[in-house]
Amino acid sequence: DAEITQSPRHKITETGRQVTLACHQTWNHNNMFWYRQDLGHGLRLIHYSYGVQDTNKGEVSDGYSVSRSNTEDLPLTLESAASSQTSVYFCASSGLAYNEQFFGPGTRLTVL
Amino acid sequence: EDKVVQSPLSLVVHEGDTVTLNCSYEVTNFRSLLWYKQEKKAPTFLFMLTSSGIEKKSGRLSSILDKKELSSILNITATQTGDSAIYLCAVCKLLAQKLVFGQGTRLTINP
Repeated sequence: DAEITQSPRHKITETGRQVTLACHQTWNHNNMFWYRQDLGHGLRLIHYSYGVQDTNKGEVSDGYSVSRSNTEDLPLTLESAASSQTSVYFCASSGLAYNEQFFGPGTRLTVL
Repeated sequence: EDKVVQSPLSLVVHEGDTVTLNCSYEVTNFRSLLWYKQEKKAPTFLFMLTSSGIEKKSGRLSSILDKKELSSILNITATQTGDSAIYLCAVCKLLAQKLVFGQGTRLTINP
């Protein structure tokens, strides 16, 4: 069965460290998205990609970067982790013609 | 700026009650509105609405879109404890695949 996975599921890191969160989907979807979820804010879009070599900034992109070298993966990098980036991170994907997005299980990141 | 607002933010009811969750939006170039259910994990898709006035139904859940009022409601009848979750509303824009989410409604069903 096709799926979308994230790793690690839990991560604790220190302020200033570089952190990379992995997202891998086997739906063969062109579109991939990264969100963060914080209490009172719902899901906020960090970065997204419509295909290989395409990346775009979302509403809360400062301090984050992504790269898309193949269809299956969209890793999210925190260049220098800050305590304000403590959050739950969700990756999602969708096909070309559909709006419905499928979500990964999430990564809980704590920055101390 | 695009905005999606859900109300109430939190709701506690007894098992068997009927609940109505609201979602309003201010979005340019509206394409569709989606509802998701989120338990202690990833959001799961419930409905996608594109046409005004056409009800979508799945078991005890139903939803309808009102494009004139720029809003949607999600109804849950005969609620069960398993309906306890955060319900998220999101809007998709024309010519874009990204979603704009509301803050979510936390629904708690007490036995």
